[in-house]
Amino acid sequence: NAGVTQTPKFQVLKTGQSMTLQCAQDMNHEYMSWYRQDPGMGLRLIHYSVGAGITDQGEVPNGYNVSRSTTEDFPLRLLSAAPSQTSVYFCASSVSGGASGELFFGEGSRLTVL
Amino acid sequence: KNQVEQSPQSLIILEGKNCTLQCNYTVSPFSNLRWYKQDTGRGPVSLTIMTFSENTKSNGRYTATLDADTKQSSLHITASQLSDSASYICVVTARLNYGGATNKLIFGTGTLLAVQP
Repeated sequence: NAGVTQTPKFQVLKTGQSMTLQCAQDMNHEYMSWYRQDPGMGLRLIHYSVGAGITDQGEVPNGYNVSRSTTEDFPLRLLSAAPSQTSVYFCASSVSGGASGELFFGEGSRLTVL
Repeated sequence: KNQVEQSPQSLIILEGKNCTLQCNYTVSPFSNLRWYKQDTGRGPVSLTIMTFSENTKSNGRYTATLDADTKQSSLHITASQLSDSASYICVVTARLNYGGATNKLIFGTGTLLAVQP
């Protein structure tokens, strides 16, 4: 049982480059979300989805895009990478809305923007 | 403003000793509180969930308490092991109308625990 799988684990980008962080879950969870984790700060919600075809912004959405074409996949796209987007990114899924249910996290993707 | 504050920021203890981590929150209306354990280089994993009516809940050597009146929670680790070295994150759910979902998660910054032999 893989749970939540994120790729890549590590990535280095130059300012202005674009890339996609992949996230897939095999638990048939409706709710999926992306967080970023920075030193000294709590996890911050970037975007979330309550089901296929439905996405919405979290508290720090600028510079990121998401889509949810299937229940399993929830990719995060960086449109034009900036040094401020250097962070560790976590994808998480939950049975019900994430907020009342337990979040299952991926292993994280460490991104460095030069 | 909804906030979750954890203390201490970091803690070093010897293997076999007990420790207690604190979480104070100013979240309203309160729905539940979870403690997550995050090993270095891994994603957080849920340890316990506390609802308004629960005072104490145990998960092996981990015991969480909740005082809804003072808005405080603690996580007590008994007979610590080297594998307990991790960051422990307190997450409080606010029952809000937030962007289509009905609740919002507020994350603490975590307590970094190091257990030394």
